[in-house]
Amino acid sequence: KNEVEQSPQNLTAQEGEFITINCSYSVGISALHWLQQHPGGGIVSLFMLSSGKKKHGRLIATINIQEKHSSLHITASHPRDSAVYICAWGGGSNYKLTFGKGTLLTVNP
Amino acid sequence: EPEVTQTPSHQVTQMGQEVILRCVPISNHLYFYWYRQILGQKVEFLVSFYNNEISEKSEIFDDQFSVERPDGSNFTLKIRSTKLEDSAMYFCASSLQGAWETQYFGPGTRLLVL
Repeated sequence: KNEVEQSPQNLTAQEGEFITINCSYSVGISALHWLQQHPGGGIVSLFMLSSGKKKHGRLIATINIQEKHSSLHITASHPRDSAVYICAWGGGSNYKLTFGKGTLLTVNP
Repeated sequence: EPEVTQTPSHQVTQMGQEVILRCVPISNHLYFYWYRQILGQKVEFLVSFYNNEISEKSEIFDDQFSVERPDGSNFTLKIRSTKLEDSAMYFCASSLQGAWETQYFGPGTRLLVL
């Protein structure tokens, strides 16, 4: 059983739309990470959250510890936002990340 | 901005051969990781390394795998006798502290075992 569930698996949007990607986890965590993987394969860390909310440019990440749920929002989406967005949790031994399967986002012009 | 580098970017090898994947983590980071991603699947943890020893390893990281930090800068993953199912993208990552801190990923090495 995957300890991290993401939804939706695939998301297609028009440029300018507000995007929400959800992540649910089933274990206690130390930190919840959001990462971006581009078609070429490279992985970039976007956020690391242990509580509350973080914002960076057009990206906003929130986490609800009680509900074991996190969301990644993209405002005013742009075709260059097209990528796979992955949530991952760090906890337990704190030495590794456990990844979700990712959400493939396609933003059309 | 400091970055994690990996070499080679691509490697093709014959089944049963040994391969060494190399990584240079960010210089002041203390924790180092290897992950792999089989084509079309999620990223999977292989091993973490801290203070010159393995901190944690997954079930995937069996006796055919080993890691080493041979000097102050390089971090290597060795696969002793490659199998077809080892074909994947291998990512190195590093962090200043453990998994409660941001991990910085290298660009990956795409390994193809024939």
